Amino acid sequence: DTGVSQDPRHKITKRGQNVTFRCDPISEHNRLYWYRQTLGQGPEFLTYFQNEAQLEKSRLLSDRFSAERPKGSFSTLEIQRTEQGDSAMYLCASSPPGTGVHEQYFGPGTRLTVT
Amino acid sequence: GDSVTQMEGPVTLSEEAFLTINCTYTATGYPSLFWYVQYPGEGLQLLLKATKADDKGSNKGFEATYRKETTSFHLEKGSVQVSDSAVYFCALILAHGSSNTGKLIFGQGTTLQVKP
Repeated sequence: DTGVSQDPRHKITKRGQNVTFRCDPISEHNRLYWYRQTLGQGPEFLTYFQNEAQLEKSRLLSDRFSAERPKGSFSTLEIQRTEQGDSAMYLCASSPPGTGVHEQYFGPGTRLTVT
Repeated sequence: GDSVTQMEGPVTLSEEAFLTINCTYTATGYPSLFWYVQYPGEGLQLLLKATKADDKGSNKGFEATYRKETTSFHLEKGSVQVSDSAVYFCALILAHGSSNTGKLIFGQGTTLQVKP
């Protein structure tokens, strides 16, 4: 088990361009979360998948953001028409199935810089 | 709404000093509480957790006790080392249910700097 992986680790883009990030969760983890972390702040929840179903979206996730998890395995987060305010670290986490509260395992993050 | 408040940093200590990082929470339900740590250049790692009142989470010499009466989960360590320098995040999860998806709600983080 290699843990949660994210690709790319860094992305620099110009304002107005589209970007897509990928997250590969720990195998057999059916729960997948996306968070955004800006400098000096704690991560903020963006969206949640259980298997392939997107069950919750934060109001932080504007219409320019879309996330998918087509086969219940990896997930992608796309940002269209990027703005400078989108510059942040985008974190992915996964957790196993079952009732109760489970630890979320975080990936290393994708750092986005919009110029 | 549900939230977590941490003491502001940075906290600067000398090696072997006693550490306390305060954390209080507001939750509509009965949360589980966590401390995550982020070392320089690395991802978030779970440090410790507690899932019910009066539980004490512990790991690597760090401890935190779930105090429901004061809605607190303060992080403590008796003797810090330079290698403990990192950003520490307090967080909560409301258990999965009809309206809870198990998302983490984080505090703003507290930077700890330990000097030799």
